[in-house]
Amino acid sequence: KAGVTQTPRYLIKTRGQQVTLSCSPISGHRSVSWYQQTPGQGLQFLFEYFSETQRNKGNFPGRFSGRQFSNSRSEMNVSTLELGDSALYLCASSLTGSRETQYFGPGTRLLVL
Amino acid sequence: SQKIEQNSEALNIQEGKTATLTCNYTNYSPAYLQWYRQDPGRGPVFLLLIRENEKEKRKERLKVTFDTTLKQSLFHITASQPADSATYLCALEHNNAGNMLTFGGGTRLMVKP
Repeated sequence: KAGVTQTPRYLIKTRGQQVTLSCSPISGHRSVSWYQQTPGQGLQFLFEYFSETQRNKGNFPGRFSGRQFSNSRSEMNVSTLELGDSALYLCASSLTGSRETQYFGPGTRLLVL
Repeated sequence: SQKIEQNSEALNIQEGKTATLTCNYTNYSPAYLQWYRQDPGRGPVFLLLIRENEKEKRKERLKVTFDTTLKQSLFHITASQPADSATYLCALEHNNAGNMLTFGGGTRLMVKP
């Protein structure tokens, strides 16, 4: 079975721009979660989607949004980028949710200049 | 407030010794706890999940304990090898809200030959 894939792997943007990141979960997995990882704050939960519905949301501003498609693929969008948004963005998939193994993708490294 | 604390200082041990990593939490009543391994530039990889009614769980050279009275989990790697060098993260379900995993800051383990 193919693992979780994320595209792009690396991205450089400037302040004020917006960015869209993509995540393809393991086949058959319906839950996709997004995390932001920075050296200072560690891994922080952004949001989780299940069957195209956002089930949970972390403590991030409204500039961070996401969606899930009928094939379980998910995208997250960050608008009006700030320098502090530079981070590794990870997505994780599982069959139904957090009460089981989360399979992480390799992440998208975003650098905001 | 809720906290998950892992020793932020790196743990340096000699090859062949047992590494013991600690995860302490406050203001959580987790039904289970998970441990992950993360290598630089990569997404976390699931290692073990232990439920609140399980005191101990083993997988090959790995052992996890879960003490809900002390609000602590210990993660042991026996007969450690240089290949075990990585950052180890513990994760709890957020405040019994399903499908939101909260991660500790991680402990970096260095196993020297």
